Amino acid sequence: QQQVKQSPQSLIVQKGGISIINCAYENTAFDYFPWYQQFPGKGPALLIAIRPDVSEKKEGRFTISFNKSAKQFSLHIMDSQPGDSATYFCAARMRGGADGLTFGKGTHLIIQP
Amino acid sequence: KAGVTQTPRYLIKTRGQQVTLSCSPISGHRSVSWYQQTPGQGLQFLFEYFSETQRNKGNFPGRFSGRQFSNSRSEMNVSTLELGDSALYLCASSLDGAETQYFGPGTRLLVL
Repeated sequence: QQQVKQSPQSLIVQKGGISIINCAYENTAFDYFPWYQQFPGKGPALLIAIRPDVSEKKEGRFTISFNKSAKQFSLHIMDSQPGDSATYFCAARMRGGADGLTFGKGTHLIIQP
Repeated sequence: KAGVTQTPRYLIKTRGQQVTLSCSPISGHRSVSWYQQTPGQGLQFLFEYFSETQRNKGNFPGRFSGRQFSNSRSEMNVSTLELGDSALYLCASSLDGAETQYFGPGTRLLVL
């Protein structure tokens, strides 16, 4: 069964700290791994994405680390700000796009000022 | 470019009724995917349409259906509504389905 397991379910980080969210997958046919950010009342917004031929990708304060052999990937938010408080979803998509995106259950992140 | 738009934003229906939700993708995008978001099950893939054809389908009963028009706009229909169908229904568009998906704000459906 295609699954993406995400942890932790919730996370509280102090302003200026590093937020780390982890995901693990089982299906080696996944070849695209995006992270989405969702605020209450809004649809998910793409934050950053990576493919398995790259071990790390950085965009501003957001970094994805990817470990192909362990079938794990993580999101790091550096210098976390109160405006980063949101729900974050990791996702995976199979080669060719079949079956759409498979999402993790989400992490509710709170950045305390 | 304008983003993905969904109408209506909120909807209240009663059990047994049917509902139609609409999605307008980003201009130039030909793929539209639909997802259901609930607190218990999270985000789940319903189906994807590309060039007016259903290309992929998730694990949902036949009460859930959709279609896509020649201008890439898409509708999804849920017949014989059940209480468990209460959810946020999200539409996402992409150029061809294999590229990045951009989500709309969703339609929140409440079934009483």
